[in-house]
Amino acid sequence: GAGVSQSPSNKVTEKGKDVELRCDPISGHTALYWYRQSLGQGLEFLIYFQGNSAPDKSGLPSDRFSAERTGGSVSTLTIQRTQQEDSAVYLCASSLKGLGGPGELFFGEGSRLTVL
Amino acid sequence: DAKTTQPNSMESNEEEPVHLPCNHSTISGTDYIHWYRQLPSQGPEYVIHGLTSNVNNRMASLAIAEDRKSSTLILHRATLRDAAVYYCILRGGSNYKLTFGKGTLLTVNP
Repeated sequence: GAGVSQSPSNKVTEKGKDVELRCDPISGHTALYWYRQSLGQGLEFLIYFQGNSAPDKSGLPSDRFSAERTGGSVSTLTIQRTQQEDSAVYLCASSLKGLGGPGELFFGEGSRLTVL
Repeated sequence: DAKTTQPNSMESNEEEPVHLPCNHSTISGTDYIHWYRQLPSQGPEYVIHGLTSNVNNRMASLAIAEDRKSSTLILHRATLRDAAVYYCILRGGSNYKLTFGKGTLLTVNP
């Protein structure tokens, strides 16, 4: 596709359930990021993938959060045993360059997660 | 990460120029200055970036102070569609992360 695609756009779940959020980056982009944005707040870095290198997971808030990137393309962010404080918009971005260059980030429109 | 300071909010009138300031007094020699904006209910979008010299593109201009401790994003003629949160971000040459602060909420009055 032309841009970064995220699904679902909206997800409502009950506390304690697991959710999966998907990101389809721009074709050919080697770097992929996940950010989280709570209501009225700035963006919080979660995780970064660059090619075949080990991901930088330093921003994941707890071990309930995990992410994988299959085949260097599509990424899935999984939140286990969701809590109400997980409610936020989860944004994915991709870039042509990660390390070694400033690389413009292209963001998707986000997945809005609401935990009841 | 070196920190940036921006006003919480600014107002402008349609078709007038807007100057959005950003202070980054602890910037290092390898830090690029990036600007992104986020329209309501959308993900952020890239606006412009620079290192030392002023930069122009179709969206905006970036004026960088000689000592690089501050910069200004210039929208030459604001439109209603420019109403957004504008983020000024420093990114080191080998640093892949962008750290977003709270940005400046720009309101454009018709």
